[in-house]
Amino acid sequence: NAGVTQTPKFQVLKTGQSMTLQCAQDMNHEYMSWYRQDPGMGLRLIHYSVGAGITDQGEVPNGYNVSRSTTEDFPLRLLSAAPSQTSVYFCASSYTSPGQISGELFFGEGSRLTVL
Amino acid sequence: RKEVEQDPGPFNVPEGATVAFNCTYSNSASQSFFWYRQDCRKEPKLLMSVYSSGNEDGRFTAQLNRASQYISLLIRDSKLSDSATYLCVVTLFSGGYNKLIFGAGTRLAVHP
Repeated sequence: NAGVTQTPKFQVLKTGQSMTLQCAQDMNHEYMSWYRQDPGMGLRLIHYSVGAGITDQGEVPNGYNVSRSTTEDFPLRLLSAAPSQTSVYFCASSYTSPGQISGELFFGEGSRLTVL
Repeated sequence: RKEVEQDPGPFNVPEGATVAFNCTYSNSASQSFFWYRQDCRKEPKLLMSVYSSGNEDGRFTAQLNRASQYISLLIRDSKLSDSATYLCVVTLFSGGYNKLIFGAGTRLAVHP
């Protein structure tokens, strides 16, 4: 029962470096999304996708890119890392539109990113 | 003002106690409401949805008060395993999608 798998779990970057956080789900969910979680704040939506080939911006998209070439995979790219991107990142998927009563979000275990 | 506000806690309670958390939201157009649970350094998981008429799941009871714009979570007979952070989640259709707005969470610590 893999569910939502994120890699890497931990990463340290230097300012200006780029990297990709990987996310894969095996539940055949159409909806996938990326959140970041910072101390004292609720999870904030970075980007989301409603199906393969379709992505859109969430609340805090600047500095991040996504793509959705398959139903299963939804990688998040940091283009030029900044200390403000130090955070815990969660990938999530859901069977229906999140926010519907049946739209339970299933989260990956998280990726802890530190930008020096 | 934050869109979803929660008392960060921690709420320190003994085993067997009853504890209640409130969560207030600012937008009256909010549509759906949920409680998620997040263990320390783990991912959030859905605890329960909150229905207009209120709902119960074992020791957990959720209530919605649209007039006052808050939801509540009541935990009866607290267990050590209930120690976690409880996230209030409110949804709002905005910008073409169902926007989930997460509270920062209320931390519960149950002690023997």
